[in-house]
Amino acid sequence: DTGVSQDPRHKITKRGQNVTFRCDPISEHNRLYWYRQTLGQGPEFLTYFQNEAQLEKSRLLSDRFSAERPKGSFSTLEIQRTEQGDSAMYLCASSFSGITLGEQYFGPGTRLTVT
Amino acid sequence: QQQVKQSPQSLIVQKGGIPIINCAYENTAFDYFPWYQQFPGKGPALLIAIRPDVSEKKEGRFTISFNKSAKQFSLHIMDSQPGDSATYFCAASRRSGNTGKLIFGQGTTLQVKP
Repeated sequence: DTGVSQDPRHKITKRGQNVTFRCDPISEHNRLYWYRQTLGQGPEFLTYFQNEAQLEKSRLLSDRFSAERPKGSFSTLEIQRTEQGDSAMYLCASSFSGITLGEQYFGPGTRLTVT
Repeated sequence: QQQVKQSPQSLIVQKGGIPIINCAYENTAFDYFPWYQQFPGKGPALLIAIRPDVSEKKEGRFTISFNKSAKQFSLHIMDSQPGDSATYFCAASRRSGNTGKLIFGQGTTLQVKP
């Protein structure tokens, strides 16, 4: 499977715990995005990487959230001191900034439940 | 501030019907307009996308119509099938000199009855 993969697919954690999610983009894609989707809503942009550089962060990304993309390959999103409001689907997408339209392809998402 | 407004929120059609989903945007700098299909528990899947220099694009049973002056675009699904039952999202982004982040509409839940 050469699509975007995410791990884990589901995560249940207690309030106050830290969690980390991983995203593996399509191999030749240099752009990587994280989005958050709550029930009944469209995905909302969180942050963007071009290669290993984090170039934009949404105001939705509080200081409890941190993302990395070492070596411009896979990416991790960590949430510290989780709150019930963090419960959502966390989606990763990747694209190639070439001559194409820059289509973004999404992974299956990680469903986070904070109890 | 909601930059992409999508309607209707839900839609029910009979098999073979042509559901139409509409979106309106505010930012005239947007230059890329994709549509995504999402099934429960899955990530969004890219269906079709259009640039503002064309007024219509067809891919299989899916057609995007684009009206730049009205800042509106719509998705038409020809000969709809029960397997098309899903949530559809329009989106918009500014690609040129930008991150290309997508701004999504609120989604339309489509049910196609057999």
